[in-house]
Amino acid sequence: NAGVTQTPKFRVLKTGQSMTLLCAQDMNHEYMYWYRQDPGMGLRLIHYSVGEGTTAKGEVPDGYNVSRLKKQNFLLGLESAAPSQTSVYFCASSHNTGPNTEAFFGQGTRLTVV
Amino acid sequence: KQEVTQIPAALSVPEGENLVLNCSFTDSAIYNLQWFRQDPGKGLTSLLLIQSSQREQTSGRLNASLDKSSGRSTLYIAASQPGDSATYLCAVAGANSKLTFGKGITLSVRP
Repeated sequence: NAGVTQTPKFRVLKTGQSMTLLCAQDMNHEYMYWYRQDPGMGLRLIHYSVGEGTTAKGEVPDGYNVSRLKKQNFLLGLESAAPSQTSVYFCASSHNTGPNTEAFFGQGTRLTVV
Repeated sequence: KQEVTQIPAALSVPEGENLVLNCSFTDSAIYNLQWFRQDPGKGLTSLLLIQSSQREQTSGRLNASLDKSSGRSTLYIAASQPGDSATYLCAVAGANSKLTFGKGITLSVRP
């Protein structure tokens, strides 16, 4: 009963390096999201997807790209990492949209850019 | 733009006390409101979801209320325990179930 799984859990990058964060869900959910959590800022939406092959920008999309080639996976890419991207990244998924739709979260990826 | 506020940022209470955590939001056009718990270094655990048409939801010692017209929700925790110590996050769901979060309330329950 995995739910939402994020890979990796921890990573240290040097400024300018690139990396991809993987989110996988096994609940057949249509909607997937990437949030970042920073001290004093709460969680903010980076990008989201309303179905396989779709992506859309959230509140803080700059410096990130995403892809949803398979329904169960949502990838978050950093092409050229910056210290400002040091954060904890959370992936979430939900079945659809509506009043009774619950969001399920992964355990987070702690990224440090030095 | 939706804004969610949780005040105070931190709260310390003695064990056994009943307590209320507050959440306010600026745009009443929401699908639902969700309360989450987050332990240090961990992910988010969903506690309660209140649909926009509902007034309250209960789960064990937790009761959450929603007054959509005034933009307020409260999370009531009965007979608090040290194990309740965590950060509690309030989030409202808008279009496409995108969540807007408050900054959270860090609760410490003293034995």
